[in-house]
Amino acid sequence: GEDVEQSLFLSVREGDSSVINCTYTDSSSTYLYWYKQEPGAGLQLLTYIFSNMDMKQDQRLTVLLNKKDKHLSLRIADTQTGDSAIYFCAEISGNTGKLIFGQGTTLQVKP
Amino acid sequence: DAMVIQNPRYQVTQFGKPVTLSCSQTLNHNVMYWYQQKSSQAPKLLFHYYDKDFNNEADTPDNFQSRRPNTSFCFLDIRSPGLGDAAMYLCATSGDRRAFFGQGTRLTVV
Repeated sequence: GEDVEQSLFLSVREGDSSVINCTYTDSSSTYLYWYKQEPGAGLQLLTYIFSNMDMKQDQRLTVLLNKKDKHLSLRIADTQTGDSAIYFCAEISGNTGKLIFGQGTTLQVKP
Repeated sequence: DAMVIQNPRYQVTQFGKPVTLSCSQTLNHNVMYWYQQKSSQAPKLLFHYYDKDFNNEADTPDNFQSRRPNTSFCFLDIRSPGLGDAAMYLCATSGDRRAFFGQGTRLTVV
């Protein structure tokens, strides 16, 4: 089946690193994504990783993928108050083509 | 430049009055999705198209229908909106290794 799980809440201090974790069950996943959603806004694609990659870095963002454990993480370096939002992990199933979301992690950044 | 465009951004409809939400894309992606998102929850997949091939989720109510007349456009029809259908409706496309979302239509039912 297709299931994506995330922890619901993370609180960090400004300037610290944030690590948001995600696990998934679909072994046919092809692409995995991180989206950011600010209050009242749509979903903003932050980054994505192909399932045959282990790591992807994009400025302050680092995505790590452990395909064996079906674990995905998003690290935000030097977290800023503007990073406060809900972060959704999502995967595209290779079998069904569906884009499936986790429950979202609310990131709170304290000054 | 916006690549997935949803209209309108805000829609108010009366209880039981049919409403149509629209989505267009300039990416020429062959997969399009409709999601319903309620406050602070994950987007819930209603249906998706692979080209003209329509895929309905098992728990999507019959009250929700969709049309995709061509690659660029996709519509969500809510035949008889109830108060519980008030939500943000998100359209997305995928292709070329990425999935993109529109800004969403916030539906209010009065």
